[in-house]
Amino acid sequence: AQSVTQLDSHVSVSEGTPVLLRCNYSSSYSPSLFWYVQHPNKGLQLLLKYTSAATLVKGINGFEAEFKKSETSFHLTKPSAHMSDAAEYFCVVSDNFGNEKLTFGTGTRLTIIP
Amino acid sequence: SQTIHQWPATLVQPVGSPLSLECTVEGTSNPNLYWYRQAAGRGLQLLFYSVGIGQISSEVPQNLSASRPQDRQFILSSKKLLLSDSGFYLCAWSPIREQFFGPGTRLTVL
Repeated sequence: AQSVTQLDSHVSVSEGTPVLLRCNYSSSYSPSLFWYVQHPNKGLQLLLKYTSAATLVKGINGFEAEFKKSETSFHLTKPSAHMSDAAEYFCVVSDNFGNEKLTFGTGTRLTIIP
Repeated sequence: SQTIHQWPATLVQPVGSPLSLECTVEGTSNPNLYWYRQAAGRGLQLLFYSVGIGQISSEVPQNLSASRPQDRQFILSSKKLLLSDSGFYLCAWSPIREQFFGPGTRLTVL
């Protein structure tokens, strides 16, 4: 069985300051991990993915995440927040067993303070 | 390139009425297809997935059903809607590993 825990339901940062959104996972096998972003009333957009290659993954819009197996973590970071980053962020794990079933975290709402 | 469409974008239906939401994918063949529901302030719940025409797997018992009449068409249905069916419904397709999501349908059951 696999699961994802997003440790913060809501994060607020000032524009221009770093962003850290935390995610811990549980998986019986070597997982694939993803971060998706959702703006209000929109579908989900893939930010980045980890699929057993480099542990530091760079995504779109300046985001990156580091896969740490020893800590079972996949935290999302960005050096400098922009107003357009305000959205809901989902950490997701896949079991890599062909049917590509994803397990979603409950989401972290990111608010950017001007 | 591949695109995924959902319609309608918004829907308001009375309790007890039927439902039909449609999802189509362009630019690919034999994709895995998925239906998710997102309730207000909550994460995504996988409802159904399909690995081929006529092949549907249900994840959560409920009054919803899904069908895949064509390779790139995925339909979510209900015979009688409940208040608890309100939410944001997302369709997704997968080539391998990651999933790509449609724009969603906002369903309000009154």
